[in-house]
Parts: sequence; C-alpha cells; structure tokens
Amino acid sequence: DTGVSQNPRHKITKRGQNVTFRCDPISEHNRLYWYRQTLGQGPEFLTYFQNEAQLEKSRLLSDRFSAERPKGSFSTLEIQRTEQGDSAMYLCASSGQGVSTGELFFGEGSRLTVL
Amino acid sequence: AQKITQTQPGMFVQEKEAVTLDCTYDTSDPSYGLFWYKQPSSGEMIFLIYQGSYDQQNATEGRYSLNFQKARKSANLVISASQLGDSAMYFCAMREFNSGGSNYKLTFGKGTLLTVNP
Repeated sequence: DTGVSQNPRHKITKRGQNVTFRCDPISEHNRLYWYRQTLGQGPEFLTYFQNEAQLEKSRLLSDRFSAERPKGSFSTLEIQRTEQGDSAMYLCASSGQGVSTGELFFGEGSRLTVL
Repeated sequence: AQKITQTQPGMFVQEKEAVTLDCTYDTSDPSYGLFWYKQPSSGEMIFLIYQGSYDQQNATEGRYSLNFQKARKSANLVISASQLGDSAMYFCAMREFNSGGSNYKLTFGKGTLLTVNP
C-alpha cells in the first residue's frame, strides 16, 4: 500500500496522559499536513511541514501539542496532558510538487478518545 | 466570516437520481482552487474533483461535476445517477494561492451528509 499511513488508528487514554500519533506520507511527497476533525465538523488545519521544516502552525495548536518531521519523512504529533476536549479524529495528509492541483492525499486518521 | 459555507447539513436522494450539494466560498485572493472530498463512514477523505479559479470550463470527473459560478462565489457539486455507495459526508474545500501563509493548505467547510435511498 503506497498511500498515507497513520497509526494507531484508535487510541483511548485517560485525561492527563500523553499520546503520540505517527504519519507516514506518500514517499515522494515533500509536504505533510495535520488536521483535526471533531464530530459533525470538517477537518481543521493544525500544522504543515515542507520537508523537515514546520512552516505554519494554527492557533488551534496549543503548547500541549507538538509536531515533528525529522529527516522530512514520517511525522509525529504528540499531545501532552490530554484533555477531554482533545477527543477527535487526527488526520494526516501529504502532497507533492508533481500534483498540479495541490490536492491533499489523506490517511484514514487516528481517533483519540480522552476519558 | 467563514471561508467555506455548506448550508445543507443533510441531503436525501433516490438511487439513480441526480443531487446537488451546495458550497459557497469567501476570498479576496484572485487565485484559488476549490475541491470536493468524500468521507465514507470509514473516515478516509477521498478527493473527488478540483476547479481552479481561472478555469474557463466547469470541472467534470465521471459522475461528478462542479457547477462553478465565480461571480456568485459558489462551487456546487453535482452527482449524477446516484448510487448507494455515494452515501457519505461531502466536504467542500478551498486553497488560496496568495493567502500570505502556507498557500498549500486547504480550508474545509462543515460538510453535507448525503444519504442515497434505494
């Protein structure tokens, strides 16, 4: 499978715990995005990487959230001291220079439930 | 103001009939792109169709077409000959090429839940 891969697909945690999600983009894509989607809403932009550089962060990304993309390949999104409001689907997407429309290719998401 | 507005929380259509899902957008950027994505219950976002702001013709992809009315800032998705497998959430999204920030990210609407009845 050469699509965007995310894991874990589901994570249940207790409030106050730390969680980490991993995203493996399509191998030739240099751009990687994290989005958050809550029930009944559209995806909301969190952050964007071009290669290993984090070029934009949304105001939604509080200081409890950190994202990295070492070596410009896979990315991790860590949430520290989770709160119930962090419960959501976390979507990763990638895009490459060869795609003229700039469409994003999404993974299946990582669903977080904070108890 | 919301950049993408989808006013229909839910829509119903009979199998084999056509359906139009509404989308209006707000931007002052003359260069932008509009996208439609489908999200089945499995959760993955599936790209359907793209329309560039300078494209002269409405985009079409198989049973999907985009009714682009630039002056009205609307980009409605038309699905012809609906199938049961079309039942899903549909999201309209926009990319602004000169937003000042990342011009690669997409901004999404809240979506429309389409149900196709047999």
